Amino acid sequence: AQSVAQPEDQVNVAEGNPLTVKCTYSVSGNPYLFWYVQYPNRGLQFLLKYITGDNLVKGSYGFEAEFNKSQTSFHLKKPSALVSDSALYFCAVRDRGSGNTPLVFGKGTRLSVIA
Amino acid sequence: DTAVSQTPKYLVTQMGNDKSIKCEQNLGHDTMYWYKQDSKKFLKIMFSYNNKELIINETVPNRFSPKSPDKAHLNLHINSLELGDSAVYFCASSHADTQYFGPGTRLTVL
Repeated sequence: AQSVAQPEDQVNVAEGNPLTVKCTYSVSGNPYLFWYVQYPNRGLQFLLKYITGDNLVKGSYGFEAEFNKSQTSFHLKKPSALVSDSALYFCAVRDRGSGNTPLVFGKGTRLSVIA
Repeated sequence: DTAVSQTPKYLVTQMGNDKSIKCEQNLGHDTMYWYKQDSKKFLKIMFSYNNKELIINETVPNRFSPKSPDKAHLNLHINSLELGDSAVYFCASSHADTQYFGPGTRLTVL
């Protein structure tokens, strides 16, 4: 079975400071890993994904995430947070060998960037 | 152009009614999904279609019936609506690995 844990319900960071949103996962095989962002009253927007290759993945809006197989983690990072980054962030996983199985999402982490 | 669109955006209805939500994607994707997001923002897959065929049907009451008339459309019909059906419903489509979501339909059952 696949699962995703986002241990923090809320992350607060000052504008200009680096931010990290944590995600750990569990799959039986190798993972496909994703980050999505949801702004208020909007659908989910794709940020970035890890499929294979470099462990450090760069995505939209200056975000990046690092795949760490030994720690089964895929934390989302940004060197300098903006107030406009305030949103709900979802980590998701799919087992690479599972065909068309859907993504399993974490419960989301609300990021609040304070000016 | 909107890649994945849903109608309506808001739906307010009485318990016991039947309602439908429509979804269309113009990305040429083979696979489409319906997700439910509850009041705590938890996202859960409901259904998945690949080339008009149902491939995933999670534990969803049979009051919910998806229909895919063609590869670009996946509609969701709900019979005998209950208070607990109130949620935001998201349609998504995918090709290979990445899913693209619609803007959501907020369903409120009174």
